[in-house]
Amino acid sequence: GQQVMQIPQYQHVQEGEDFTTYCNSSTTLSNIQWYKQRPGGHPVFLIQLVKSGEVKKQKRLTFQFGEAKKNSSLHITATQTTDVGTYFCAGQESNYQLIWGAGTKLIIKP
Amino acid sequence: NAGVTQTPKFRILKIGQSMTLQCTQDMNHNYMYWYRQDPGMGLKLIYYSVGAGITDKGEVPNGYNVSRSTTEDFPLRLELAAPSQTSVYFCASSRRGQAGADTQYFGPGTRLTVL
Repeated sequence: GQQVMQIPQYQHVQEGEDFTTYCNSSTTLSNIQWYKQRPGGHPVFLIQLVKSGEVKKQKRLTFQFGEAKKNSSLHITATQTTDVGTYFCAGQESNYQLIWGAGTKLIIKP
Repeated sequence: NAGVTQTPKFRILKIGQSMTLQCTQDMNHNYMYWYRQDPGMGLKLIYYSVGAGITDKGEVPNGYNVSRSTTEDFPLRLELAAPSQTSVYFCASSRRGQAGADTQYFGPGTRLTVL
């Protein structure tokens, strides 16, 4: 079945450093979504990418969807303490189910 | 709109007990989902529903049951609770978009411990 692999599992950064998480699907996706889960909270939708090669920005966050629509990345520039949490990608094929990556936990070093 | 609400927020069960986790959404979404999230892990789909009266199994349905008698409500039933069911349970709902896009809106979760 379809799988979405997400790496790394954890990333420790100093505040002000950049952060990147990557997702790779075993199959071509119709779209990919990104969610953020704060510690103790629930996943919250960030963005959706639909088009091949699409790049979207939200302030310091940059989201990319690969040309083959099989991979995606989220890059955060100059991390802040408010960025702490786990970032999930979720890929969708032609049906309504999302296939979730395992998440990347962003940890800010004290 | 309250969005997706879940009750209870916390619950401790003894092995073999049963309970129902409640989920309600007021966004008139057709699609609803139940996930579990084990500590430090991602989301696993338990059951989902594409509309009232229609439910189907997800990745990890064993030990659970669901029903969908109305658009708003999607309760999850645990029969004969086991320690392996200790987890955080999230309910979510979605409305299909133009490109098949399906943003999911999550409830706050139910933290369940089985002892």
